Amino acid sequence: KAGVTQTPRYLIKTRGQQVTLSCSPISGHRSVSWYQQTPGQGLQFLFEYFSETQRNKGNFPGRFSGRQFSNSRSEMNVSTLELGDSALYLCASSLGKNTEAFFGQGTRLTVV
Amino acid sequence: SQQGEEDPQALSIQEGENATMNCSYKTSINNLQWYRQNSGRGLVHLILIRSNEREKHSGRLRVTLDTSKKSSSLLITASRAADTASYFCATDARETSGSRLTFGEGTQLTVNP
Repeated sequence: KAGVTQTPRYLIKTRGQQVTLSCSPISGHRSVSWYQQTPGQGLQFLFEYFSETQRNKGNFPGRFSGRQFSNSRSEMNVSTLELGDSALYLCASSLGKNTEAFFGQGTRLTVV
Repeated sequence: SQQGEEDPQALSIQEGENATMNCSYKTSINNLQWYRQNSGRGLVHLILIRSNEREKHSGRLRVTLDTSKKSSSLLITASRAADTASYFCATDARETSGSRLTFGEGTQLTVNP
């Protein structure tokens, strides 16, 4: 069974631009969550989608948004990039609440 | 919001020794999961322990959970250089409706050959 796939692995963007990251979950998993990891703040929850609906949202500004498609694949978008958005963005998939969450390799975003 | 804490923040041991990492949390949970992360890469799932379980084993890993003390520990026995990584605990709070993990700050484990 293929694991969680995130693309691209690395991105360099300029301040003010926008970016879209993609996540393909494990086959059969309907829950996809996104996390941001930075040296200063650690791992922080962004949002979770289940069956194309956002079920949970973390404490991030509206510049961070996401969506999920009918095949459970998910995208997250960050608009008007700031230097502080530089981070490793991780996607996790699971069958749902109270089950194992499996992570992808992450997308390393650098904003210059 | 709930914030987990791990201790120690860093641990350095020799190959063959055991490594113990601790995690504390603040709210009622459904489960607690342990992950390993090699430098700058994705999180590898190690083990999930549910709130009604006290101990779980997987290969060289042993996890305990004490919900009365809101704490968990991860024991790696007979450590190897390849175990060098950061280890995180993550809790799934009972109060949230969906899947939302709250992570601790992690323990950096170095296993010296």
